[in-house]
Amino acid sequence: GPKVLQIPSHQIIDMGQMVTLNCDPVSNHLYFYWYKQILGQQMEFLVNFYNGKVMEKSKLFKDQFSVERPDGSYFTLKIQPTALEDSAVYFCASSVAMYEQYFGPGTRLTVL
Amino acid sequence: GQQVQQSPASLVLQEGENAELQCNFSSTATQLQWFYQSPGGSLVSLLSNPSGTKHTGRLTSTTVTKERRSSLHISSSQTTDSGTYLCAIDDQGGRALIFGTGTTVSVSP
Repeated sequence: GPKVLQIPSHQIIDMGQMVTLNCDPVSNHLYFYWYKQILGQQMEFLVNFYNGKVMEKSKLFKDQFSVERPDGSYFTLKIQPTALEDSAVYFCASSVAMYEQYFGPGTRLTVL
Repeated sequence: GQQVQQSPASLVLQEGENAELQCNFSSTATQLQWFYQSPGGSLVSLLSNPSGTKHTGRLTSTTVTKERRSSLHISSSQTTDSGTYLCAIDDQGGRALIFGTGTTVSVSP
C-alpha cells in the first residue's frame, strides 16, 4: 500500500537544541499530520497541515513547535528549543481529503 | 471533544482462537480507523470503517454509527497477531484522529 517515510528513525539531542523531523508523505496526498506518542502512553494528535497552512492543532503543539512543507519537499516538524518532555515517538501521516490516514514508521526522539 | 474507549484492555488467546475487540466513542464520527501497533512500535492501518461492515483477510470490522460503537473481529488468531490494536476516530468532523488506549493481544502457540 501507500508508504509514508520518516527520517531519521532515531534522534538523540541535548535539551535546548533545535531538532527537525522529516516526513516524506504519499505523493498525491494533500493533508499532512503529526502525532506524538510518549513511551507506553496513548497516541495524541499534534497538528494537521493543508495548502501551506496549519488547519488544526492541539494543546500539545507548543509555541516551540512549527511545521512546514517548502516547495513540495519534506513535511517537517521543528522543535526549537527542545525540552525533556519532548522525548517521544513522532508519527507523520498523510491523507487525501477526509479519507484514510497513512502513517509513517515514526521517529524516536530522545532529549537528554 | 471526542472520547474513545476500547475494551478489553488486554486479551490472551491460544493460536486458532477468535477474538472480538470493542471501540465505543462519545460523538458522531465520519472517520474511523483500526490500527495495529507492533511490540516494536510501528503502526499499520488495518481498516477504515466509519460505518457498516468491512473485511480484510482474517479481520472483520462492524461499525454502528448511531450507537457509537465499532468492533474488530480477528478470526483464527496467529502468534504474529500479538500486539496492540488501536481504534481512532475523528474529533467532531475535524481531521485529527483521536486514539483509544488500545487492546493488547497476546497469542500463544
